[in-house]
Amino acid sequence: AQKITQTQPGMFVQEKEAVTLDCTYDTSDQSYGLFWYKQPSSGEMIFLIYQGSYDEQNATEGRYSLNFQKARKSANLVISASQLGDSAMYFCAMRSTGRRALTFGSGTRLQVQP
Amino acid sequence: SQTIHQWPATLVQPVGSPLSLECTVEGTSNPNLYWYRQAAGRGLQLLFYSVGIGQISSEVPQNLSASRPQDRQFILSSKKLLLSDSGFYLCAWSLKVFGRLYEQYFGPGTRLTVT
Repeated sequence: AQKITQTQPGMFVQEKEAVTLDCTYDTSDQSYGLFWYKQPSSGEMIFLIYQGSYDEQNATEGRYSLNFQKARKSANLVISASQLGDSAMYFCAMRSTGRRALTFGSGTRLQVQP
Repeated sequence: SQTIHQWPATLVQPVGSPLSLECTVEGTSNPNLYWYRQAAGRGLQLLFYSVGIGQISSEVPQNLSASRPQDRQFILSSKKLLLSDSGFYLCAWSLKVFGRLYEQYFGPGTRLTVT
């Protein structure tokens, strides 16, 4: 079975500062992918970043980077230079090769303060 | 570029009534398609996925069904809604390419309230 744990129900960050959202996962599969999604109040799930289990370098996409520590089974999202528009729910998810479903964590609500 | 549409955006239906939610994808062909449900304040649960026309797999037993009558059209249905069917329904698509686990792209969602 796969499981994603996000231990921070809510986070606050000042505008222009960096913030780290935690994600740990549990799987017995060797080949898998880790994903982060943003869900603003409108409800749409917006794909942010992907990390493959065999990728040696941490993924980066603009202001988003993924701090992947395979031995610790963690895949934390780092948002640099926070903006007011970053306020949203953030979900960590994973999927193994051969599985169809994304397994989601419970999410972290990020609020960026001016 | 690819676009995914869902309608309606919101729906209020009485218990026992039928349901039909539609999802269409533009700008890609032969995608994998998915229906997810999100309960309030929770993560997403996969309901159905499809790898091609007429090919539907169910992840969770329930009174819902899905169909894929065309390559880029995915429909979620129910003959009789239950109160527990209330939630936020999201359709998603992904590429079907061997070699990596491609991300799934989600539509805007349908908020269903069963009264």
